Amino acid sequence: ETGVTQTPRHLVMGMTNKKSLKCEQHLGHNAMYWYKQSAKKPLELMFVYSLEERVENNSVPSRFSPECPNSSHLFLHLHTLQPEDSALYLCASSQAPGTSGRADNEQFFGPGTRLTVL
Amino acid sequence: RKEVEQDPGPFNVPEGATVAFNCTYSNSASQSFFWYRQDCRKEPKLLMSVYSSGNEDGRFTAQLNRASQYISLLIRDSKLSDSATYLCAVYSNYQLIWGAGTKLIIKP
Repeated sequence: ETGVTQTPRHLVMGMTNKKSLKCEQHLGHNAMYWYKQSAKKPLELMFVYSLEERVENNSVPSRFSPECPNSSHLFLHLHTLQPEDSALYLCASSQAPGTSGRADNEQFFGPGTRLTVL
Repeated sequence: RKEVEQDPGPFNVPEGATVAFNCTYSNSASQSFFWYRQDCRKEPKLLMSVYSSGNEDGRFTAQLNRASQYISLLIRDSKLSDSATYLCAVYSNYQLIWGAGTKLIIKP
């Protein structure tokens, strides 16, 4: 496997279900991100893990719960979601700011999980 | 004012033409800038970083105008395969801030 992978690619769940999204990066990066992308809106940053510590929360509802067991894996646990949470959820990875000796820190994305909440 | 703004388009352009679009940003302390390409129902993919001196990659040229706080993307000799949404991203305060994207449609 190369790059950033995400599973599942598609998920349909009811409002009372509990599910988890998984992301894995094979790029040797030490920062990982969860984004939400809704139609015609900018990417919304949900969570950032840098050097395995959460550094950004951005007031995301508690029904979304991230987990980062190591620098290569990232999970997003979902429970009691609402229909408005239906969106494309993207995982990305990069070198953590200040660790690469560069200012760029480009982010690389997985293919996303398209979530539909009924 | 939004932190990063783009014209949503769509830009309808005939094949072979040159097209350019801009992205404005509000934080004058922003440190680095990127153009990403996103195809329908796919993830964003890095197209190019934008350097202070401008940079070129084949048919694509990116420019940074710090005084007016915008970046631009120029596509020459456009191909049908260039049809996509182009996202700009601005790196400031250890975070990438994203525009909503400009949709480009190349017509035969």
